[in-house]
Amino acid sequence: EIVLTQSPGTLSLSLGERATLSCRASQSVTSDFLAWYQQKPGQAPRLVIYGASSRATGIPDRFSGSGSGTDFTLTISRLEPEDFAVYYCQQYGSSPLTFGGGTKVEIK
Amino acid sequence: QLQLQESGPGLVKPSETLSLTCTVSGGSISSNSYYWGWIRQPPGKGLEWIGSIYYSGNTYYNPSLKSRVTISVDTSKNQFSLKLSSVTAADTAVYYCARHRSGLRSDLQHWGQGTLVTVSS
Repeated sequence: EIVLTQSPGTLSLSLGERATLSCRASQSVTSDFLAWYQQKPGQAPRLVIYGASSRATGIPDRFSGSGSGTDFTLTISRLEPEDFAVYYCQQYGSSPLTFGGGTKVEIK
Repeated sequence: QLQLQESGPGLVKPSETLSLTCTVSGGSISSNSYYWGWIRQPPGKGLEWIGSIYYSGNTYYNPSLKSRVTISVDTSKNQFSLKLSSVTAADTAVYYCARHRSGLRSDLQHWGQGTLVTVSS
């Protein structure tokens, strides 16, 4: 099973600042099959990035994904009020599919 | 527009079987190539994949739950279902159904709103 470790656990930033979230895998993720999801309180997760770097439908271009192998990054270039949430990475290259523990992006 | 809706009892007694159904609208569950999955999230915690199914009935389960899980599909009703046996308090969670982008090895593109299931006597 591939274990995904997200860091930091919490990121405290101001509006307009850049957010950099990390996801590290215990072994290489097949074909960069890595996704990022955004979850707000009381809501279902929402797909943000798939294939490590492709934005999902309706996701603004301030969101970008990068990385390969075992190290992946989600970057939010300029934080907007609606971006404050918990973000999870997920690998789907190997079964069982696994999620990271999440990074909370909160308003400073 | 594809929509998924979970339904089932919100309270299950310990040692009993949790049963949930996901009803799909705005698209056919029999569409080629899509897998359909169940994911859960204990209160205040992270996400755990339970398993996924193809419309033909082909299933994949998380080994950590495999001995207790059955996922099935009813194409005539455009639904798929989850059964989790011998539940304990540790199975208390919000349960989500979702559709993969394509095959099993693809992201979870569409999600239901989730339903909270509490295991308690």
